[in-house]
Amino acid sequence: AQKVTQAQTEISVVEKEDVTLDCVYETRDTTYYLFWYKQPPSGELVFLIRRNSFDEQNEISGRYSWNFQKSTSSFNFTITASQVVDSAVYFCALTGAGSYQLTFGKGTKLSVIP
Amino acid sequence: EAQVTQNPRYLITVTGKKLTVTCSQNMNHEYMSWYRQDPGLGLRQIYYSMNVEVTDKGDVPEGYKVSRKEKRNFPLILESPSPNQTSLYFCASSLILNTEAFFGQGTRLTVV
Repeated sequence: AQKVTQAQTEISVVEKEDVTLDCVYETRDTTYYLFWYKQPPSGELVFLIRRNSFDEQNEISGRYSWNFQKSTSSFNFTITASQVVDSAVYFCALTGAGSYQLTFGKGTKLSVIP
Repeated sequence: EAQVTQNPRYLITVTGKKLTVTCSQNMNHEYMSWYRQDPGLGLRQIYYSMNVEVTDKGDVPEGYKVSRKEKRNFPLILESPSPNQTSLYFCASSLILNTEAFFGQGTRLTVV
């Protein structure tokens, strides 16, 4: 079975602060894929990043960065200099090569206060 | 434009009245799935389909049916809806499972 844990239910930060959203996963597969999705207040789900288990390089995209650490089974997401538009629910998700399912965490609601 | 289209966006129905939520994608994706989103529970997978005529249960399949007769369509059927199926439903498709998923706009279902 595979599992994704997002321990932070809600986070509030003041605009321009940095914030890290945690994601811890469990899987028996040696090959697996991790994702982050964003759900803004309008409700749609937007893909942010995909990472496979063989690529442990951290990734940066503008103000967003992702830290993948197999040793701790974590795939954390950091927003630098947060903005009000970053306010959303963020979901981490996992699928293993031996699974036909995409498993989501329960999400972290981020509120960025002006 | 690449998209996943769900209909209807909003639906209020009564207990026991059969309903179908349609889902269509125009990207020739093999993998399609349905999720329900409930407060505090995140997104839970209801059913998924690896390809035409191949479907399987997700984590919360009770009370739902699906079919995949054509590659582009993956309807969700509630034969006898109950109030505990009140939820926000999302259809998603991806080229294969481990690639980016594209989601529909969501269907907010209320069963009274």
